[in-house]
Amino acid sequence: LAKTTQPISMDSYEGQEVNITCSHNNIATNDYITWYQQFPSQGPRFIIQGYKTKVTNEVASLFIPADRKSSTLSLPRVSLSDTAVYYCLGGGRDNFNKFYFGSGTKLNVKP
Amino acid sequence: ETGVTQSPTHLIKTRGQQVTLRCSSQSGHNTVSWYQQALGQGPQFIFQYYREEENGRGNFPPRFSGLQFPNYSSELNVNALELDDSALYLCASSKTTVFTGELFFGEGSRLTVL
Repeated sequence: LAKTTQPISMDSYEGQEVNITCSHNNIATNDYITWYQQFPSQGPRFIIQGYKTKVTNEVASLFIPADRKSSTLSLPRVSLSDTAVYYCLGGGRDNFNKFYFGSGTKLNVKP
Repeated sequence: ETGVTQSPTHLIKTRGQQVTLRCSSQSGHNTVSWYQQALGQGPQFIFQYYREEENGRGNFPPRFSGLQFPNYSSELNVNALELDDSALYLCASSKTTVFTGELFFGEGSRLTVL
């Protein structure tokens, strides 16, 4: 499974766009990139998943360049409630949805 | 609301004791994974069950064991508790036949070992 590297923490202000980049140099051909969000004392929650190029849903966008060695989660116009830990995971169809979480990125949104 | 429920939500045990944590999966999900999350760290994969069989294990000793029942509910058992077992234990269910990358997590069981 792909080993991922993310910044430990990031600060932002309300209303700003936040981009969190994840490095996954050894990603396998069948691996997808999946992002989760976790609030304190809660289980992680699925945000978005992609394989390449750009994926957008109602809460975020995910950009994956052609070489797929990195990805960027983009959160438009963050609010205080977006303060959470964000995890980037690599994994594929072949592993029965077994995912390995790293330490994640602690996003702190300030007023 | 993920449809995944865990019990108990909090419990306190002493070193050497045994504990059983329970998880009820989302309806229609045939796979359950268990994670351990220590304070300030990401969730660590313990093991996964698929159709009542263990289907992969992380770097955890045999005193961590599990069961999955025909209704896809699950248990995590930990024997001979150690202080380092204090953590939030998370259960996640998914529908393996449909790959979406989406795990549905419960709220967790907070275990404190004294």
